[in-house]
Amino acid sequence: DQQVKQNSPSLSVQEGRISILNCDYTNSMFDYFLWYKKYPAEGPTFLISISSIKDKNEDGRFTVFLNKSAKHLSLHIVPSQPGDSAVYFCAASAGYGGSQGNLIFGKGTKLSVKP
Amino acid sequence: ETGVTQTPRHLVMGMTNKKSLKCEQHLGHNAMYWYKQSAKKPLELMFVYNFKEQTENNSVPSRFSPECPNSSHLFLHLHTLQPEDSALYLCASSQDRGLAHYEQYFGPGTRLTVT
Repeated sequence: DQQVKQNSPSLSVQEGRISILNCDYTNSMFDYFLWYKKYPAEGPTFLISISSIKDKNEDGRFTVFLNKSAKHLSLHIVPSQPGDSAVYFCAASAGYGGSQGNLIFGKGTKLSVKP
Repeated sequence: ETGVTQTPRHLVMGMTNKKSLKCEQHLGHNAMYWYKQSAKKPLELMFVYNFKEQTENNSVPSRFSPECPNSSHLFLHLHTLQPEDSALYLCASSQDRGLAHYEQYFGPGTRLTVT
């Protein structure tokens, strides 16, 4: 059973508007969450992360929000740019080191930003 | 070369062949990982090495055999694969495994097709 779920396979947004990508998780032991971005023919690249002790982390145009009670996190991109078009993966881990520290990935959401 | 490199980028092999995938990281990291990404599935962790020692084998069939001769190089030896093993194989590295929160840096992947 999937522990990290990205229920929207794709999202299309107009340039300049906000993109909101969602991620749900089931394991209450997860305490660290990451977003990766993947362009075609390239490996995933780290984008932004958040610890469970926070509910928001911001880095430039990218903000991640964490709602622990709902086991939900979201990535906001404002303003969206055509270069943001990529597949976005949500990942989570539980604890330090060992198997609990492994990253569990969602299936990804393909974002298309139209000029 | 910078970051994490993988060769070959594409590989087609028959079920009776033996081939190897190579990964090299130029980041001075101590932990390396093999992931498998099948169509419409999340990234699946296969193996973890920390300071050249295998610390995780995520129930991977023995037809996949990893090798880590030093902290910079990781190989995945393939033999008698099945068509369902066709997937994108991604290598990643991180500073080490002591803290799960170290971001992982991915290579571009090897697209494997088993005929």
